[in-house]
Amino acid sequence: NAGVMQNPRHLVRRRGQEARLRCSPMKGHSHVYWYRQLPEEGLKFMVYLQKENIIDESGMPKERFSAEFPKEGPSILRIQQVVRGDSAAYFCASSPGVSRNEQFFGPGTRLTVL
Amino acid sequence: AQKITQTQPGMFVQEKEAVTLDCTYDTSDPSYGLFWYKQPSSGEMIFLIYQGSYDQQNATEGRYSLNFQKARKSANLVISASQLGDSAMYFCAMREASSGGYQKVTFGTGTKLQVIP
Repeated sequence: NAGVMQNPRHLVRRRGQEARLRCSPMKGHSHVYWYRQLPEEGLKFMVYLQKENIIDESGMPKERFSAEFPKEGPSILRIQQVVRGDSAAYFCASSPGVSRNEQFFGPGTRLTVL
Repeated sequence: AQKITQTQPGMFVQEKEAVTLDCTYDTSDPSYGLFWYKQPSSGEMIFLIYQGSYDQQNATEGRYSLNFQKARKSANLVISASQLGDSAMYFCAMREASSGGYQKVTFGTGTKLQVIP
């Protein structure tokens, strides 16, 4: 049973470009969470999605950031017109349900904005 | 108020000794869960141990144990017989019900543990 998969592992973008980060949850998991970890800081919640639904996006910046989890395929975190301050590690986690299960994390995508 | 507080930015421990990493939390939800994750220098997040608020006994997983003191709202991680490979960042996290009715996880700022040979 493969774990949570994220790609790419490292992504370099120039200011103004778009970044697309992908997350495939563990088999059987229908809940996906995105977190951002700035250098030397802890993880900050960004968004929680179920298939085809955004449940909570209270941690997402209001502009340039969007997320989706389509019926088929991975969850996508999209950052438009990236700026240097977007440089961070972006982690995806999945869980099978909303009750008592821990979230299983992917390896993260390290975004560097030049 | 901080939901999860880790007051030790950095800790040192001698190899083979035990070490306690502190974590206090704040919630009004009677049903919650507490986690510890390890993040080595390679960057991945590794789940270590879980404690439910209604669990009667402290959680243990190998060399990891969680010292759960509910009245004090603390959930300290104890690592016994430290190994060099234990050098990493350690994050405490809490799962609680959100206003939307689902479970939300909040992370602390982490403690950097360094094991000295």
